[in-house]
Amino acid sequence: AQRVTQPEKLLSVFKGAPVELKCNYSYSGSPELFWYVQYSRQRLQLLLRHISRESIKGFTADLNKGETSFHLKKPFAQEEDSAMYYCALIVFSGGYNKLIFGAGTRLAVHP
Amino acid sequence: GEEVAQTPKHLVRGEGQKAKLYCAPIKGHSYVFWYQQVLKNEFKFLISFQNENVFDETGMPKERFSAKCLPNSPCSLEIQATKLEDSAVYFCASSQGFGRVNYEQYFGPGTRLTVT
Repeated sequence: AQRVTQPEKLLSVFKGAPVELKCNYSYSGSPELFWYVQYSRQRLQLLLRHISRESIKGFTADLNKGETSFHLKKPFAQEEDSAMYYCALIVFSGGYNKLIFGAGTRLAVHP
Repeated sequence: GEEVAQTPKHLVRGEGQKAKLYCAPIKGHSYVFWYQQVLKNEFKFLISFQNENVFDETGMPKERFSAKCLPNSPCSLEIQATKLEDSAVYFCASSQGFGRVNYEQYFGPGTRLTVT
């Protein structure tokens, strides 16, 4: 079965501290994973996807197929990073696709 | 438009009443997706469309939920005889392509449905 697990509901750090938001997945096919972010009172927006291997707002995420993980990392957290973060797996089936989301982790960055 | 639009922002219905939610995808996007988020937990996929055709409805509760995407009209998600457990935020997303081409989904702001 396809599943995305984000074990932490809340991650609370101080400004300047490193951040790692955990994401594990279960999928029998070739996985493609995303991180979405939802800032307060804003819509869900794509933060990054593993296939592009880009760094957005200082965040990076590496797909580890051996550990079935796609953890989101940032070396120095900023207060404006406070938001809900969702890890998502895209499932391709019969020519169509859908996103499977994790439960989300709230990141709170304190001054 | 440049963004996915959803109306209304909030909807309150008494148990047993009908609820209808609307979504206007980004202009040029042929694929529309509906997701349900209960109590700020994970998003549950409901249904997807390719233009006006249902693409995948494996997530739809069959009895009370229905959805349409008609030409030149916003897409809609309708819940007949709402129940308390239908209280959630309903998100619409659209994408230009499907499969492994241009499949990035762009999300609307959501409609918060409260069933009392």
